[in-house]
Amino acid sequence: AQTVTQSQPEMSVQEAETVTLSCTYDTSESDYYLFWYKQPPSRQMILVIRQEAYKQQNATENRFSVNFQKAAKSFSLKISDSQLGDAAMYFCAYRSSPLSNFGNEKLTFGTGTRLTIIP
Amino acid sequence: ETGVTQSPTHLIKTRGQQVTLRCSSQSGHNTVSWYQQALGQGPQFIFQYYREEENGRGNFPPRFSGLQFPNYSSELNVNALELDDSALYLCATRGVGSAEQYFGPGTRLTVT
Repeated sequence: AQTVTQSQPEMSVQEAETVTLSCTYDTSESDYYLFWYKQPPSRQMILVIRQEAYKQQNATENRFSVNFQKAAKSFSLKISDSQLGDAAMYFCAYRSSPLSNFGNEKLTFGTGTRLTIIP
Repeated sequence: ETGVTQSPTHLIKTRGQQVTLRCSSQSGHNTVSWYQQALGQGPQFIFQYYREEENGRGNFPPRFSGLQFPNYSSELNVNALELDDSALYLCATRGVGSAEQYFGPGTRLTVT
């Protein structure tokens, strides 16, 4: 069974600064997806960024980027130029990559990191 | 805006009662998963449906059941409610060929 660990229950960062959220995972599979989701107080789970395990290049989405270390099973999220709207719970999640497109939708989540932005 | 809606937003039930939660997704999103998120925790996978059949289940008892309909809507039914069932229930949908799942805003269930 896969596990996802987020060791930072809370983080804070000054507005406009950079912050990195940590995530480690455990799996015996070679092909999988990793995600970072953001959950603001509105409760809506919003996809921030996605990484396919077979891709060596780290994913980036505007101010969000990841540092994916497959051998170390580490998947950290870097938020640059932090904004007040970035304040939320951030969840790291794992999903197996089946050979077909069907089935195995299960996301395994970490316990989350609460990010506070200091004005 | 993910195009996934859930109803109701909030619900209060008494222990032992039954509840039905609903999820509606975008056209073409033919897989749906349900998650339970207890306060201060990450979501836990309940089960998934593809083409109206359950094809994967997490560590939840049979009193948690579901349905998926041809119009891309789905239901989560919970029988014999227990106090520990109090949580946020999230549905997530995915279209064929897409790696991402899109979540609804959730239903907050309180069992008293």
